[in-house]
Amino acid sequence: AQSVTQLGSHVSVSEGALVLLRCNYSSSVPPYLFWYVQYPNQGLQLLLKYTSAATLVKGINGFEAEFKKSETSFHLTKPSAHMSDAAEYFCAVSEGPNTGNQFYFGTGTSLTVIP
Amino acid sequence: GAVVSQHPSRVICKSGTSVKIECRSLDFQATTMFWYRQFPKQSLMLMATSNEGSKATYEQGVEKDKFLINHASLTLSTLTVTSAHPEDSSFYICSAYTAGEDETQYFGPGTRLLVL
Repeated sequence: AQSVTQLGSHVSVSEGALVLLRCNYSSSVPPYLFWYVQYPNQGLQLLLKYTSAATLVKGINGFEAEFKKSETSFHLTKPSAHMSDAAEYFCAVSEGPNTGNQFYFGTGTSLTVIP
Repeated sequence: GAVVSQHPSRVICKSGTSVKIECRSLDFQATTMFWYRQFPKQSLMLMATSNEGSKATYEQGVEKDKFLINHASLTLSTLTVTSAHPEDSSFYICSAYTAGEDETQYFGPGTRLLVL
């Protein structure tokens, strides 16, 4: 079975500082991994995804994540936080191609950016 | 990119009435659509999985007679909250799934339901 753990329900960083949001997964098969961002009263927007190609994945808005199989992790990073990055971030895992299966979401991490 | 719309974005209704929420994939065909419910400051709770032309699969604890799902085409799924009550007030989000190389769920903007 698949599951996702996001360590830290709340993360605060100063504007311009490094953003690091942690995600660890559990999967019985090679996973597909995703990061989504949610702004208040909006749906989820795909930031980036790992689908068994390059382990370092670059997404939108300057975010990137690295798939580390040995650590079962897929942490999200951004070198320099911007005020507009303040939002809720969700990590998700699926079983992979053509499974038609559901995604398993983490509980989310709320990012606050301090001016 | 793939765009998913939801309508309405916000709805207020009286207790006992039914509310229909539409989810459309605008520029792609979705083999599967998912319906989620999200409570304030919480993650998404999967309610049901909807495949075009077949009955929806509901998660444990979700009443199928209360949350009716119809997936009439590869671009449209509807969720009807029947005989809504205040405890049904929530943020409902749909997603459309594309299989194959893309293998991604694309989410709608959500529908805020308030039952008075």
